[in-house]
Amino acid sequence: SQELEQSPQSLIVQEGKNLTINCTSSKTLYGLYWYKQKYGEGLIFLMMLQKGGEEKSHEKITAKLDEKKQQSSLHITASQPSHAGIYLCGADSLSTSYGKLTFGQGTILTVHP
Amino acid sequence: DGGITQSPKYLFRKEGQNVTLSCEQNLNHDAMYWYRQDPGQGLRLIYYSQIVNDFQKGDIAEGYSVSREKKESFPLTVTSAQKNPTAFYLCASSISGQGSHEQFFGPGTRLTVL
Repeated sequence: SQELEQSPQSLIVQEGKNLTINCTSSKTLYGLYWYKQKYGEGLIFLMMLQKGGEEKSHEKITAKLDEKKQQSSLHITASQPSHAGIYLCGADSLSTSYGKLTFGQGTILTVHP
Repeated sequence: DGGITQSPKYLFRKEGQNVTLSCEQNLNHDAMYWYRQDPGQGLRLIYYSQIVNDFQKGDIAEGYSVSREKKESFPLTVTSAQKNPTAFYLCASSISGQGSHEQFFGPGTRLTVL
């Protein structure tokens, strides 16, 4: 089965700093999803990447998928307290075509004002 | 507004009791999913359904049961056979169970066994 490893597990930054969260797969990624979660709440979809080398941005968040499609990164520019939460990457199952996602363990982001 | 609702938000259960978690969506999505979230472990798939009247076991289905009698509803029953049911449960849906599609998540239900 596919495994997703996120790093770091937790991150504490000062407001205004840039940061990067990584998501690494043991196998080729066919659909990589980034979600954000506030503690005790549901997941909010951020971005989906499918093609090698693909990059997407929304406001101050940029997600990239490497050419080999085994690693994705999420970069936040000029972090704000509103960026705090848990960031999770998820990936499509590789063995079949159904949309069954495997998730990484999550990265807890704290932003100090 | 379209979305996914889960109820209740908090649920307490005594050991040995079955309990059912509700999940409803009005997005007209074919596929629905149940995940369990424990601290430091991300999300793990319990059951999923690609279409009405059909569902499949996920990675940790033991001690759980589901039904999919209506497109809009995918209730999850946590049975007394589930040895460690205290967790945060998330329901999700996607437009299709085939191919790569964004999953939309409900607000979650926190189950505590007393």
